[in-house]
Amino acid sequence: AQKVTQAQTEISVVEKEDVTLDCVYETRDTTYYLFWYKQPPSGELVFLIRRNSFDEQNEISGRYSWNFQKSTSSFNFTITASQVVDSAVYFCAPAVSGGYNKLIFGAGTRLAVHP
Amino acid sequence: DTAVSQTPKYLVTQMGNDKSIKCEQNLGHDTMYWYKQDSKKFLKIMFSYNNKELIINETVPNRFSPKSPDKAHLNLHINSLELGDSAVYFCASSQVQGRDEQYFGPGTRLTVT
Repeated sequence: AQKVTQAQTEISVVEKEDVTLDCVYETRDTTYYLFWYKQPPSGELVFLIRRNSFDEQNEISGRYSWNFQKSTSSFNFTITASQVVDSAVYFCAPAVSGGYNKLIFGAGTRLAVHP
Repeated sequence: DTAVSQTPKYLVTQMGNDKSIKCEQNLGHDTMYWYKQDSKKFLKIMFSYNNKELIINETVPNRFSPKSPDKAHLNLHINSLELGDSAVYFCASSQVQGRDEQYFGPGTRLTVT
């Protein structure tokens, strides 16, 4: 079965530290899309990034960056100089073709950033 | 303007009752979804609709019945509620399933007592 693993259940850092959230997935597809979502304590789900599998360039958006490695099926997310407002649960979600391209969400990584 | 809205935000009801959750999106998307998030934050798709047509129907009990009167609305009706149905239910929409990002509603916290 195609699945996604976010091995870090919880991460706790102090403000201004850099932190990387790992995501490893399984897929039989050669082309596919990957997503990251953020769920802050308020509960809403916020889209962060979409990546297609045929573009292996790393992406940076402000303090956020993503490292996609197709060879190892990983799509890691780094927050540079973390802030308290980054405290949230972060979900990695690949889209799997075997299931009509539905998103398979990882279990999430809870990030706590302390002042 | 709210992109994806759900009502109600909170729903407290007793076992055996029937309830509905409504969802509307004003993004012009073709595809809408229902997800269930349990107490451990595990998020799983329940249904997806594309232009009012059912595309995904996960292994969800028959007590759950989605209805899409038009492509901007996707409602979820639940019959004979059980304690295990307590969860947060999210509606979402996107243009193309699996390719485009999904935008989520604020969620409906359902508590069955």
